[in-house]
Amino acid sequence: IVLTQSPDTLSLSPGERATLSCRASQILSSTYLAWYQQRPGQAPRLLIYAASSRATGIPDRFSGSGSGADFTLTISRLEPEDSAVYYCQQHATSPFTFGPGTKVHIK
Amino acid sequence: EVQLLESGGGLVQPGGSLRLSCAASGFTFSSHVMTWVRQAPGKGLEYVSGISGSGGDTYYAGSVKGRFTISRDNSKNTLYLQMNSLRADDTAVYYCAKDQATAWPYGLDVWGQGTTVTVSS
Repeated sequence: IVLTQSPDTLSLSPGERATLSCRASQILSSTYLAWYQQRPGQAPRLLIYAASSRATGIPDRFSGSGSGADFTLTISRLEPEDSAVYYCQQHATSPFTFGPGTKVHIK
Repeated sequence: EVQLLESGGGLVQPGGSLRLSCAASGFTFSSHVMTWVRQAPGKGLEYVSGISGSGGDTYYAGSVKGRFTISRDNSKNTLYLQMNSLRADDTAVYYCAKDQATAWPYGLDVWGQGTTVTVSS
């Protein structure tokens, strides 16, 4: 399964809303879609699993939605520390591929 | 505290071999799928390989299948990645990650800091 993410880069101001898209090359169960955040120089961090469930310790500014082949990560009120690359991953079918990432830049 | 500590990275010549290890602590190791993910310099994340909690099921990316072997020793709380026939495009930071689930992946909730593998002559 190939995952496509858009846009490649998002440049927004603090307090604004970010909407990131992840599209799969085939329909997959929402149970098997996760989102990760990777800040510069750090290991990735799980944000969302099963398309819409927040991982432990993740602020409610982060939310996931979607089904079928189209999924969305929304960051409702951007903060400076949200500057990072965001990846989606499917784990419905092996190999459990990642998308190419969306870079979020905070102005 | 849940921790993953990778080791075994380094510089290796093309065609060579390397074995990565990931020492786990702070959780019931045998109850979780474990995964290797890599990141080439300046690039995105790439799934490499995963293994079920029992070790009975393994998963591989097409780019490493037949060259890499994932295994685990639940008595030692350690995950391994044996890498053979290494190529320049295997150069990356290799992350060990713990999954939330036991048998089938459900989200990688704990990550190590990574170990660097450089394949070059």
